[in-house]
Amino acid sequence: TQLLEQSPQFLSIQEGENLTVYCNSSSVFSSLQWYRQEPGEGPVLLVTVVTGGEVKKLKRLTFQFGDARKDSSLHITAAQPGDTGLYLCAGAETGGGNKLTFGTGTQLKVEL
Amino acid sequence: DSGVTQTPKHLITATGQRVTLRCSPRSGDLSVYWYQQSLDQGLQFLIQYYNGEERAKGNILERFSAQQFPDLHSELNLSSLELGDSALYFCASSVDLGTGEQFFGPGTRLTVL
Repeated sequence: TQLLEQSPQFLSIQEGENLTVYCNSSSVFSSLQWYRQEPGEGPVLLVTVVTGGEVKKLKRLTFQFGDARKDSSLHITAAQPGDTGLYLCAGAETGGGNKLTFGTGTQLKVEL
Repeated sequence: DSGVTQTPKHLITATGQRVTLRCSPRSGDLSVYWYQQSLDQGLQFLIQYYNGEERAKGNILERFSAQQFPDLHSELNLSSLELGDSALYFCASSVDLGTGEQFFGPGTRLTVL
């Protein structure tokens, strides 16, 4: 069974601060996605990374896939209250099928 | 709006009952996935269908079943409901089996009393 551990589990910061969320596993994934989820709503896809070492930027968010495709990080620069939410990483298993294993989640709160 | 629709939004029922959750994928998507999200278990993969055929199974109980119809919509059937089945149930869809990019619906909140 592939497991994805996220850290930290909870993060409360002030507007303007920077933060990094980590997603780690002992398994190799064919791709890794990051989602953000608001309470009572479905996860919204932020980014997909496929190649080991890949870095993708989405405005103030920077995503990196580990060289061995086992881990990933999400860095947010100058966080804003609108960034508040549950951040989930999800790995697609190798060998096809596209089944996603979700991480344990990081609950982010950005205060004014 | 992801383009994935789910009905109903909320469902309240009693233990022992049976319910059906419905999902319509994004236009053009052939693959449908079902997930369960509870406070203690997080988001767990249940089952996947691709173009009408079952492709992968996860932690789905024998009391639960699903199918995908020729028009590609999918239904998740939950029977002999227990209190512990109370959760958010999400449907997601993707174009194919390749990239892992799945788009989630708004979910159905099931409460079993």
